[in-house]
Amino acid sequence: SQQGEEDPQALSIQEGENATMNCSYKTSINNLQWYRQNSGRGLVHLILIRSNEREKHSGRLRVTLDTSKKSSSLLITASRAADTASYFCATERNTGNQFYFGTGTSLTVIP
Amino acid sequence: DAGVTQSPTHLIKTRGQQVTLRCSPKSGHDTVSWYQQALGQGPQFIFQYYEEEERQRGNFPDRFSGHQFPNYSSELNVNALLLGDSALYLCASSLVVGELFFGEGSRLTVL
Repeated sequence: SQQGEEDPQALSIQEGENATMNCSYKTSINNLQWYRQNSGRGLVHLILIRSNEREKHSGRLRVTLDTSKKSSSLLITASRAADTASYFCATERNTGNQFYFGTGTSLTVIP
Repeated sequence: DAGVTQSPTHLIKTRGQQVTLRCSPKSGHDTVSWYQQALGQGPQFIFQYYEEEERQRGNFPDRFSGHQFPNYSSELNVNALLLGDSALYLCASSLVVGELFFGEGSRLTVL
């Protein structure tokens, strides 16, 4: 079963705009990660945020985590056409790298 | 440094047949996890192998089994294939704690 739910399911923006996608989950977690997937290929790790962290940055990516609301957001600034992909959040409930993925947000960046 | 490699990339089987998928983890990684990703869905955790033992298992029937070899490579076996087993099967390797490194996947079609 899916642990997380991403919102929106699909997002279309112009190049240069910012893209924000959200993830909600159901149970307590150790950490939350965001992954990117290009057109049915393998997933690529983007960023990890631990349960005791509230915000994290990596290049054009900014992730926030609100454990009281069981939610996270991923912001991609100054988007590029190459950012077009599906984005998934994944939660780790206990140690051991067993991750639960959401249903994903499909992002399209129009040149 | 080779990343995670999976074989075969594509395969077609008929209902009732059996399939074996293979995965070589990233160099230095000792933990291998398998995920099933149906079309339009997020990856779902099948099981994880560490030190040649199945350490964790998701909600999949016994038709799904696996193995890890001393060199940390792994196999996923699915018996008595059903139409619903058609999916992208992803292998991910990791160290004990941290990000998952995914292969490009094996796309299985069951006719």
